[in-house]
Amino acid sequence: GNSVTQMEGPVTLSEEAFLTINCTYTATGYPSLFWYVQYPGEGLQLLLKATKADDKGSNKGFEATYRKETTSFHLEKGSVQVSDSAVYFCAVGGAQKLVFGQGTRLTINP
Amino acid sequence: DAGVIQSPRHEVTEMGQEVTLRCKPISGHDYLFWYRQTMMRGLELLIYFNNNVPIDDSGMPEDRFSAKMPNASFSTLKIQPSEPRDSAVYFCASTQGDGYTFGSGTRLTVV
Repeated sequence: GNSVTQMEGPVTLSEEAFLTINCTYTATGYPSLFWYVQYPGEGLQLLLKATKADDKGSNKGFEATYRKETTSFHLEKGSVQVSDSAVYFCAVGGAQKLVFGQGTRLTINP
Repeated sequence: DAGVIQSPRHEVTEMGQEVTLRCKPISGHDYLFWYRQTMMRGLELLIYFNNNVPIDDSGMPEDRFSAKMPNASFSTLKIQPSEPRDSAVYFCASTQGDGYTFGSGTRLTVV
């Protein structure tokens, strides 16, 4: 079945630093890839997605590119803010059932 | 749309009591998922439904757990009897095939 391996956290950065959270996957066929974000006390929210190889998903300054050759979908942001502090989940799957990574806790210090 | 609605937001119960968690998916979404989230095990898929029919319940931890979806707009997750190790945040999510929408979760504490 599908699986996801995420960069272990926690990750702590200063405001305006560059962010990368690594995500690699194993899957059969041609899955879609997703990043979800969970703020304290809330459910997971879809941050961005990509549905085929070389697609780039982007939202709120975050980006991730579907790399089939390296089976990766790394999350990046050029300049993080304190409000980006949250837990980030990478996910892989078909249209219906997703497999989630274990989550990476990100803390941004002012 | 109001999104996926879960109730209650918080539940504190005594060991041995029955607990029922409720979920209203987004109208038109034909898949519904129940997840459990803990610090130790992260996000675990318990069960999911397609068009109100349970498709995969292999993640349900024990017979104490049961889930139903009597119609397209309502699902329940029941724990009977509850145990302290069931303490977690339980999430419901729905989709029509373009990424999930999650509810805000129910934080369950069994004392």
